[in-house]
Amino acid sequence: DTEVTQTPKHLVMGMTNKKSLKCEQHMGHRAMYWYKQKAKKPPELMFVYSYEKLSINESVPSRFSPECPNSSLLNLHLHALQPEDSALYLCASSKLTGELFFGEGSRLTVL
Amino acid sequence: EDQVTQSPEALRLQEGESSSLNCSYTVSGLRGLFWYRQDPGKGPEFLFTLYSAGEEKEKERLKATLTKKESFLHITAPKPEDSATYLCAVHLLSSGSARQLTFGSGTQLTVLP
Repeated sequence: DTEVTQTPKHLVMGMTNKKSLKCEQHMGHRAMYWYKQKAKKPPELMFVYSYEKLSINESVPSRFSPECPNSSLLNLHLHALQPEDSALYLCASSKLTGELFFGEGSRLTVL
Repeated sequence: EDQVTQSPEALRLQEGESSSLNCSYTVSGLRGLFWYRQDPGKGPEFLFTLYSAGEEKEKERLKATLTKKESFLHITAPKPEDSATYLCAVHLLSSGSARQLTFGSGTQLTVLP
């Protein structure tokens, strides 16, 4: 079982909806990540929080908004998404110099 | 430009037929190379980290090796349960303090009984 927990596992939303993806880790890691993965493609980095400080991938649209309430929690707020945003969204955590551990992912479908 | 390339894209093996997957990289500064296994619809599962040329790591039927230009994932006597997509990823010197990984496109391995 993974020690990075993501909820919900599946989410269907319309283009005008506002929803959030949630991620929690209890490994004491100080870095947390959001990746986006399309079918048969590798994961692409969206955001990194290191000691709750955000690093942004400049290519990520503003309709994706990350939040890190504390070192164990990471949210991804979704607003006015497009159908092409449908993908598997992966959360991961790591020690700053350690391996990344991924959650099971949240499968997002935008109608 | 930093690049990570995996080959082959897909590989079909008979059970017990050993083979190797390749991950080649052209990067300006490597801080680590990682191998992951991913099952359909699941998150990647960590397998190995390699830091320097000549390093080797083993786990069950898998062995990862690293040179200055590429890494190999050797699979010895594979079983059907080894079927998955295998991803390699690099951590670059330019990517800051946290582990910002750049992934290759993966090798989809199918092991037939």
